[in-house]
Amino acid sequence: EVQLVESGGGLIQPGGSLRLSCAASGFTVSSNYMSWVRQAPGKGLEWVSVIYSGGNTYYADSVKGRFTISRDNSKNTLYLQMNSLRAEDTAVYYCARDRYSGIPYFDYWGQGTLVTVSS
Amino acid sequence: DIQMTQSPSSLSASVGDRVTIACRASQSISSYLNWYQQKPGKAPKLLIYAASSLQSGVPSRFSGSGFGTSFTLTVSGLQPEDFATYYCQQSYSTLYSFGQGTKLEIK
Repeated sequence: EVQLVESGGGLIQPGGSLRLSCAASGFTVSSNYMSWVRQAPGKGLEWVSVIYSGGNTYYADSVKGRFTISRDNSKNTLYLQMNSLRAEDTAVYYCARDRYSGIPYFDYWGQGTLVTVSS
Repeated sequence: DIQMTQSPSSLSASVGDRVTIACRASQSISSYLNWYQQKPGKAPKLLIYAASSLQSGVPSRFSGSGFGTSFTLTVSGLQPEDFATYYCQQSYSTLYSFGQGTKLEIK
């Protein structure tokens, strides 16, 4: 059974850093595209970043230069390192398997972890 | 960047109704269009991928169509559990993007 479990969220001051983790089971992270998607309170979904199976990474303009997506193949875990955090980064962060069968789509999602950026 | 625009932003309907949600892309995205359903406090759930392919386990009352810049999600015979928010998402660009969402409410 495929499962994604996020952790690492919490309250952080503006300008601070946080690292989110997404532990996967039932499939191999490194063989798949993996994405982070966030949702600010009461707002819609916003794609944040993707890492391809080959290692290429891409970021939304809103986080480029501040966030870094990575994975640990030995732990089958996806990460999102978030630096220089701003109030507008406050959101529930979801990891999702980005299944690629010609056309990418998010077929499995974690339960989400809340990041609150506030002084 | 590719902008995705959904209409309407909200919709009231009754159980048994047929409803259609539209999604328009700012440039052609071929069939690189997916639809998700989200209920309050829950993660999104994939309904339709590649514009018209039904995800395994999703009821057949959900259907998708479109190509290029114009897409639709149709729910035929609304059930109580279908009242939720729906999002379209393009995966044509390396920078993915979602529509702003359509909230489907009970009339």
